[in-house]
Amino acid sequence: NAGVTQTPKFRVLKTGQSMTLLCAQDMNHEYMYWYRQDPGMGLRLIHYSVGEGTTAKGEVPDGYNVSRLKKQNFLLGLESAAPSQTSVYFCASREWGAKSSYEQYFGPGTRLTVT
Amino acid sequence: QKEVEQDPGPLSVPEGAIVSLNCTYSNSAFQYFMWYRQYSRKGPELLMYTYSSGNKEDGRFTAQVDKSSKYISLFIRDSQPSDSATYLCAMTVAAGRRALTFGSGTRLQVQP
Repeated sequence: NAGVTQTPKFRVLKTGQSMTLLCAQDMNHEYMYWYRQDPGMGLRLIHYSVGEGTTAKGEVPDGYNVSRLKKQNFLLGLESAAPSQTSVYFCASREWGAKSSYEQYFGPGTRLTVT
Repeated sequence: QKEVEQDPGPLSVPEGAIVSLNCTYSNSAFQYFMWYRQYSRKGPELLMYTYSSGNKEDGRFTAQVDKSSKYISLFIRDSQPSDSATYLCAMTVAAGRRALTFGSGTRLQVQP
């Protein structure tokens, strides 16, 4: 199992450009999440999905859109990148169900710089 | 005020030392408490979890939760250079989307 993978690993964008970050998981997990990690801020939830075809806003959703067309994939889009979106982006997934399924499995991250 | 507060460190200790990492929180609805370890330029990995109050031990690691004080701790005994990482506390409520609320992380350096 590859677990959670993220594409790309690094990206530099100019202000106003758009891009899509791809997250893929092979664990058949229902829940998927996108976080951003900034110095001194910890990880903050951007958007999440509780199943194929569903998405919902998290703590810091402005400037981002998401889609979950297939259960194993969760896409994060930036329509018009801004320097404030310079961050490390992490995708995570979690199985649905029992109490023990609280554990989230994280991908390796995507480092995005917006100039 | 942040929902979860964590001292960012950095914390530097000699090999073999006992390390204490702490978080405080304000939301009394939190029921599940976790510690994630994050090595440089990697994603976080779950280290330990505790449900509600109490202690949990796993090898050199002990997690404690005091819900009355809204305070959680992670103790590392006989610390090793391989323990050098950022430690993130995380917590979530018992129901709903179970998204995690993270502390800002404490960077730990164990000197050989």
